[in-house]
Amino acid sequence: EAQVTQNPRYLITVTGKKLTVTCSQNMNHEYMSWYRQDPGLGLRQIYYSMNVEVTDKGDVPEGYKVSRKEKRNFPLILESPSPNQTSLYFCASSARLAESYEQYFGPGTRLTVT
Amino acid sequence: AQTVTQSQPEMSVQEAETVTLSCTYDTSESDYYLFWYKQPPSRQMILVIRQEAYKQQNATENRFSVNFQKAAKSFSLKISDSQLGDAAMYFCAYRSPIYNQGGKLIFGQGTELSVKP
Repeated sequence: EAQVTQNPRYLITVTGKKLTVTCSQNMNHEYMSWYRQDPGLGLRQIYYSMNVEVTDKGDVPEGYKVSRKEKRNFPLILESPSPNQTSLYFCASSARLAESYEQYFGPGTRLTVT
Repeated sequence: AQTVTQSQPEMSVQEAETVTLSCTYDTSESDYYLFWYKQPPSRQMILVIRQEAYKQQNATENRFSVNFQKAAKSFSLKISDSQLGDAAMYFCAYRSPIYNQGGKLIFGQGTELSVKP
């Protein structure tokens, strides 16, 4: 089954404790992206990757890091989480050369930083 | 910069009736794509319908159709014969060409649709 998986699905942590949210896709997609969803703001792009070892900032990259060492994986790293990073996070992927096609979304990760 | 606006935070419709969700966008690009996503309580993002900007014909997917007015930069979603399972948050989204930040999606604020039995 074609899918994007994220782990963990729920996470409660404390300020300053480094954490990683994993994202993996099994569709051989070149393009992967991270979004955060906040009430009244919709979803906003954090980082994206066009292919292995190619990453770039989205609209709200502050406080986040990413890496793309393998095509299927695109982890999101919060090195020193703060309460304003409490949000719902989505990973998405799509075929790079099919830009009109949908982005496939993971199930989301609900993060709470206290 | 591109922006997407959904001016209706909440909408309500009677089961079996028709409802229209509004979306406007702003862009200087000529080549782009528009989408409507549904987000049920499970939080999963589900693609409802897509529209290529170069196509004049409005997209249709079963009970879902759009009214795409390119000059007015308007992209509304019509749901016919509303069902209880249509209750969800609906997001309008704009996708830039791939050369613009990898073709990122820009989302509106969302419209919460409730369906009354």
